[in-house]
Amino acid sequence: KAGVTQTPRYLIKTRGQQVTLSCSPISGHRSVSWYQQTPGQGLQFLFEYFSETQRNKGNFPGRFSGRQFSNSRSEMNVSTLELGDSALYLCASSWDPDRGHSETQYFGPGTRLLVL
Amino acid sequence: EDQVTQSPEALRLQEGESSSLNCSYTVSGLRGLFWYRQDPGKGPEFLFTLYSAGEEKEKERLKATLTKKESFLHITAPKPEDSATYLCAPLENTGKLIFGQGTTLQVKP
Repeated sequence: KAGVTQTPRYLIKTRGQQVTLSCSPISGHRSVSWYQQTPGQGLQFLFEYFSETQRNKGNFPGRFSGRQFSNSRSEMNVSTLELGDSALYLCASSWDPDRGHSETQYFGPGTRLLVL
Repeated sequence: EDQVTQSPEALRLQEGESSSLNCSYTVSGLRGLFWYRQDPGKGPEFLFTLYSAGEEKEKERLKATLTKKESFLHITAPKPEDSATYLCAPLENTGKLIFGQGTTLQVKP
């Protein structure tokens, strides 16, 4: 099976702009989670989507939002970009976190966002 | 508040020199604990899942163990290709992974 794919892989934006990142999960996986990784804070959970519904949310401002489509593909949007949003954004997919031991999250390669 | 601490932050080993990485955690409603490996510029790669205290999992030169408050990743006779950052991540009952800061391992030939 193909792994999790993320597009684009690299992105440069300026402060105040907005950005949309895309994630295609492993075929058959229904849950998609997003994480932000920075050198100072490490990997931090942003949100999780399952069946087009946000099921879980981390401690990030409302500028960070996401959605999931009927084919489980997910997008993440950051509005009014700030310098501190520069990070590696990772997407992870799993089959179904509610079904016992099928909750292993498999990560994509990430999108490297640089805000100038 | 959920907390995950990994130690040491960095570890340098000679090829063949065995060692252990530690992950201590305080997580409400723990559903499991995951270990990942991350190479520079890449996403984390899944290694192990542990669900119960006393459980052990092995893969090549790696063995992960779990107690009620800690997990260990033992590396036996490491090779240079084992150099990476190893991340520990307890899974909350909400389905959220809480990541530690990682241990960066360098294995010299």
